[in-house]
This record gives sequence, structure tokens and C-alpha cells, in this order.
Amino acid sequence: EAGVAQSPRYKIIEKRQSVAFWCNPISGHATLYWYQQILGQGPKLLIQFQNNGVVDDSQLPKDRFSAERLKGVDSTLKIQPAKLEDSAVYLCASSRRLAGGDSTDTQYFGPGTRLTVL
Amino acid sequence: GENVEQHPSTLSVQEGDSAVIKCTYSDSASNYFPWYKQELGKGPQLIIDIRSNVGEKKDQRIAVTLNKTAKHFSLHITETQPEDSAVYFCAAVSGADYKLSFGAGTTVTVRA
Repeated sequence: EAGVAQSPRYKIIEKRQSVAFWCNPISGHATLYWYQQILGQGPKLLIQFQNNGVVDDSQLPKDRFSAERLKGVDSTLKIQPAKLEDSAVYLCASSRRLAGGDSTDTQYFGPGTRLTVL
Repeated sequence: GENVEQHPSTLSVQEGDSAVIKCTYSDSASNYFPWYKQELGKGPQLIIDIRSNVGEKKDQRIAVTLNKTAKHFSLHITETQPEDSAVYFCAAVSGADYKLSFGAGTTVTVRA
């Protein structure tokens, strides 16, 4: 089966500009995640969707970050305005898990988008 | 929330030797422990996982052990090869909130 797709792969912007990332999860996967991975660190969860509803966005800086998952499939993550500290790799992941499902459900990651804010 | 600590941060081994990476977790409700391998320019890829009702699992040259009492789990790679060079992340999933928490990663370099 096809994996998680993300675009663009790389993006360079000036601080205070806006940027958007796109993710297409594995077909049939109900849950979609966005992670931020700063250089030298493990990924940190920003937001989790189940179908088209938000399950957890407690770690999302809502003053500048927003995300949506239209029709329960593709998702976009937006940053506006960007700050220098937003430079990172943004990873999208998906899993089959439905509400009340197994906590051992595997998450599959896309290749990520490397964002550089100058 | 869950806190996962991973050691060492870097590991250099001679080809054919073994590599061991150790992790500890804080949340006693965690019940699933996946290990991911991340190569340069790619996303993390699951290589092996272990559930809390199992103490050890092996898949060819890779094995994981889990000590629930000590809240400790480890990855063992035997007969290392150059293609094993990558960053490895341990992670823990809490059965309470299903969140996946990652360690900081171990950069493994296999010397030919």
C-alpha cells in the first residue's frame, strides 16, 4: 500500500511569513497526526485528528499554528506568522485507530517537510 | 505526561559488533513500546515493537526487551552492518491517552 505522502519536502521562508504543509495519509487510516521534530530531538505531537475531528491539540501553538482535515482524509498544517524557532521538520503520521481502539496501533510516518525560517 | 529518556545519544560500533540502546519511561500506564529508525531525509520507520504483556521479542538481528517493574526497555542489534547506520528512537504509548512519546534519539554509526 502507498505510504503517507507529504508536500512540499523543503520550504524556506522569512520570519513573519506564512507557510502551509499538506499531508495525505494511508488509505483507510482514521487517525492523522502532525509532529514537529527539531534538529537533534524526537518528534513532538502538535495535533491529532480522528476522521475530521480534533482529538488533541493541547501542544499546538494556536496563536500561530492551525490545522484542518477536510472530509477526514487529507490535512493541512499552517503557520502564520512564522518565527525563527519554527525551523524544524514537520512530520505527518497516520494510523488505523478508531475511537476506543487499541493503544498499540502502529503510526506510520511520512518523509516530512523541512522548514527553514530566516 | 509521559517522559522517555534514551541513552546513549551517539553510538559508534565496528561492523559485525552489537549495539545496545536503552530507554526508561515514567508513566506506569504505558503499555506499548515501538522503536523507530530514521535515515537522513526520511521519516521515522517502525522496526520493531513490544507490548507490556511480553518481556522480549526478536526479529532477525533485532531484539527488544522490556522490564515493566523497572520501567526500562532496550533495543539490541546484533551483527551490525553499514546499513544499520541511522538515528534510532524509542517511544512509549500510554494506555490512558494513547499518546506516543519519543526519546531524544541515538545516532548509530557502523564503521566498516
